[in-house]
Amino acid sequence: IAGITQAPTSQILAAGRRMTLRCTQDMRHNAMYWYRQDLGLGLRLIHYSNTAGTTGKGEVPDGYSVSRANTDDFPLTLASAVPSQTSVYFCASSDGTSGGSDTQYFGPGTRLTVL
Amino acid sequence: GQNIDQPTEMTATEGAIVQINCTYQTSGFNGLFWYQQHAGEAPTFLSYNVLDGLEEKGRFSSFLSRSKGYSYLLLKELQMKDSASYLCAVRDSNYQLIWGAGTKLIIKP
Repeated sequence: IAGITQAPTSQILAAGRRMTLRCTQDMRHNAMYWYRQDLGLGLRLIHYSNTAGTTGKGEVPDGYSVSRANTDDFPLTLASAVPSQTSVYFCASSDGTSGGSDTQYFGPGTRLTVL
Repeated sequence: GQNIDQPTEMTATEGAIVQINCTYQTSGFNGLFWYQQHAGEAPTFLSYNVLDGLEEKGRFSSFLSRSKGYSYLLLKELQMKDSASYLCAVRDSNYQLIWGAGTKLIIKP
């Protein structure tokens, strides 16, 4: 693989179910991010990780959790999905050492519908 | 609060030039990014500006004025494949990226 992969590509989920979105990168990037993108709104940061073993909350963390057990993987879990979590979810990664110019590279996204 | 403003939608003609504006009000400034996002796809990096002035990259150029809190993306010799959304993002004093809602650019033949 090259770059960032996400799985699944799309999913329809019943409200109240638990769901994990997977993200893997092979660029040995230190930092990883989860965003959601909704029509008419900018990308909103859910959680981030500056390095393996550490995570932080973004702008809209409620209802989501993440873990960063190693450099490559950064799964996002919805413990009990609600319809307002219907969105397109993007995982991104960056080198994390470039300061202001640190560029984020995005995975292809997961389209999630919660009914 | 922090705010990034971009026009929601713009229309331009194939072969022409279009300028997409972005104004920002953020707590601190550590650079401004432009990304391109085709419908149903991931955002892809176009440019980064941290100093005032114009950065040119082929058909695409990006301009920054920090004193005015303003940037624009200039696309020349428009092609149909340039139809996409263009996202402006600013890195604030905490080194977090603040994203605009994006400008949908429609190219007509």
